[in-house]
Amino acid sequence: EAGVTQFPSHSVIEKGQTVTLRCDPISGHDNLYWYRRVMGKEIKFLLHFVKESKQDESGMPNNRFLAERTGGTYSTLKVQPAELEDSGVYFCASSQDLVAVYEQYFGPGTRLTVT
Amino acid sequence: KQEVTQIPAALSVPEGENLVLNCSFTDSAIYNLQWFRQDPGKGLTSLLLIQSSQREQTSGRLNASLDKSSGRSTLYIAASQPGDSATYLCAVEEPGSYQLTFGKGTKLSVIP
Repeated sequence: EAGVTQFPSHSVIEKGQTVTLRCDPISGHDNLYWYRRVMGKEIKFLLHFVKESKQDESGMPNNRFLAERTGGTYSTLKVQPAELEDSGVYFCASSQDLVAVYEQYFGPGTRLTVT
Repeated sequence: KQEVTQIPAALSVPEGENLVLNCSFTDSAIYNLQWFRQDPGKGLTSLLLIQSSQREQTSGRLNASLDKSSGRSTLYIAASQPGDSATYLCAVEEPGSYQLTFGKGTKLSVIP
């Protein structure tokens, strides 16, 4: 079974540009999450999809970030325009919709560098 | 607001030694706790998940315990090996919220 995949693995952009990150969850996983880790800090939650619906976007830092999950399969996270403080590693995770246990499986991350 | 702390931030041990990694959280009303491992430049690998009703979980040389009332979890690694070198992360999930709150991790180095 393929794990969570993310693309690209690394992106370097200039301040003010736009970047789109992609996440493909494990097949059959209805729950999809975005997290990020900025330098020196802990990993922080950004948002959670259940199928194509945003369940919780309380962690999104501001309206420069837009996440979508059309059709309930893969998800994209767009940053527009990018700022220096957006640099970090963006992780995607997915989980099955089980009754009691929602173990989250993480992808390798996308390292975003804004210069 | 839930906060997760992991001590120590870094740990270096000789191969073969048994070791314990610590995780504490401020709000004991958690749904579950997950331990992850992260290798440099790689994603997170889930090691163990302990539900709030459980006291411990075991997988091979790993044993994780949970004491909800005191807000603590430990990850015990038996007979450490150089391949265990990685950053170990602890994360908690609260009831009604699917989001994980992470600690900063403990960087483990096992010296051959």
